[in-house]
Amino acid sequence: DVKVTQSSRYLVKRTGEKVFLECVQDMDHENMFWYRQDPGLGLRLIYFSYDVKMKEKGDIPEGYSVSREKKERFSLILESASTNQTSMYLCASSLLSRVTGELFFGEGSRLTVL
Amino acid sequence: QQQVKQSPQSLIVQKGGISIINCAYENTAFDYFPWYQQFPGKGPALLIAIRPDVSEKKEGRFTISFNKSAKQFSLHIMDSQPGDSATYFCAAGDDKIIFGKGTRLHILP
Repeated sequence: DVKVTQSSRYLVKRTGEKVFLECVQDMDHENMFWYRQDPGLGLRLIYFSYDVKMKEKGDIPEGYSVSREKKERFSLILESASTNQTSMYLCASSLLSRVTGELFFGEGSRLTVL
Repeated sequence: QQQVKQSPQSLIVQKGGISIINCAYENTAFDYFPWYQQFPGKGPALLIAIRPDVSEKKEGRFTISFNKSAKQFSLHIMDSQPGDSATYFCAAGDDKIIFGKGTRLHILP
């Protein structure tokens, strides 16, 4: 079974802090994604990556950056956390070279910014 | 921005009934239409998916109906069970997947 592991299930941070959300997948998938999930807004794509060292902006990249130094690891970075970034963050990976393949999600990281 | 519109936001169905969730999309280039199921405290998981070359796909109690001309697709859950209570997301895409806003389904025992 594919496993996508998000290292922190719950985080509480202060406004202005730098926040790292880590995601690791164990199935050698090419593609990795970061989404945020908010009630009534569904899942919105923040950033994605088709390969190591490569990244693409999603629909809501403002205030976020990402890092993919190794194939299995995709990190989401909030350079200066703000209260409107309080949300559930979901990491996902997929095998196919295009996005239109099954996405395997982690269990999420719930971030609260005070 | 391309959108996928999902309705209803919430749905209550009696055990044994049929649950129906509808989605509409705008971009005719979309060629992949998955449905994801999410239980509380878990990430979404793929339930069933369809490509636009077929009008229906069935897997067990779950069926996707697809209407290319209307740019609409729907999920039907037959003989709905309490264990089906979850949030369901439709999605559509080609190079990028766009999700609907979700439907919270509750099956009454």
